[in-house]
Amino acid sequence: GESVGLHLPTLSVQEGDNSIINCAYSNSASDYFIWYKQESGKGPQFIIDIRSNMDKRQGQRVTVLLNKTVKHLSLQIAATQPGDSAVYFCTGHGNQFYFGTGTSLTVIP
Amino acid sequence: EAGVAQSPRYKIIEKRQSVAFWCNPISGHATLYWYQQILGQGPKLLIQFQNNGVVDDSQLPKDRFSAERLKGVDSTLKIQPAKLEDSAVYLCASSFRLAGVRTDTQYFGPGTRLTVL
Repeated sequence: GESVGLHLPTLSVQEGDNSIINCAYSNSASDYFIWYKQESGKGPQFIIDIRSNMDKRQGQRVTVLLNKTVKHLSLQIAATQPGDSAVYFCTGHGNQFYFGTGTSLTVIP
Repeated sequence: EAGVAQSPRYKIIEKRQSVAFWCNPISGHATLYWYQQILGQGPKLLIQFQNNGVVDDSQLPKDRFSAERLKGVDSTLKIQPAKLEDSAVYLCASSFRLAGVRTDTQYFGPGTRLTVL
């Protein structure tokens, strides 16, 4: 079946450094991907999305890279801030959205 | 713009009791989703509505879970009877169009944290 997962369950970075969160997916038919951020006690919040006809998309302080050859996504956060501490999910859309297990990002002041 | 509203925020019940959760999506959003998120895991889709029709309920445990969206706006999710393993956060989300169009963003509510004792 389909699966979307994340490489590392936890990641700690120093404030001001760049963060890279990785994600792998199994369904070659997935053509749309979204990264969500979930803070404690809240629902997931949209960060950025990318379609399969693109390999890179940039937002404010965030960049998503898509490598369809190896079925891999990454979320890059520039100049990580304490407010970036959260669990990050990548979701892939085949017939429905599948959430991975998430990476918990901790920003060290 | 108001976000997705859910109530209650917290609920504690004993096993075999019944419980219901309510969701009010963002105005104008035709698609509504219910997710179950067990501690330490990602959200798992339980049911998806397009207006008041069910699009996907393949992962809904239909022997104990039910959901409805009678007028295509608000929705309720019910568990009867509850089991210990139902302890989780139940998230409601909505999007403007059917997710299959592949451009939709889901907007999530804060969730209802259910504890079954």
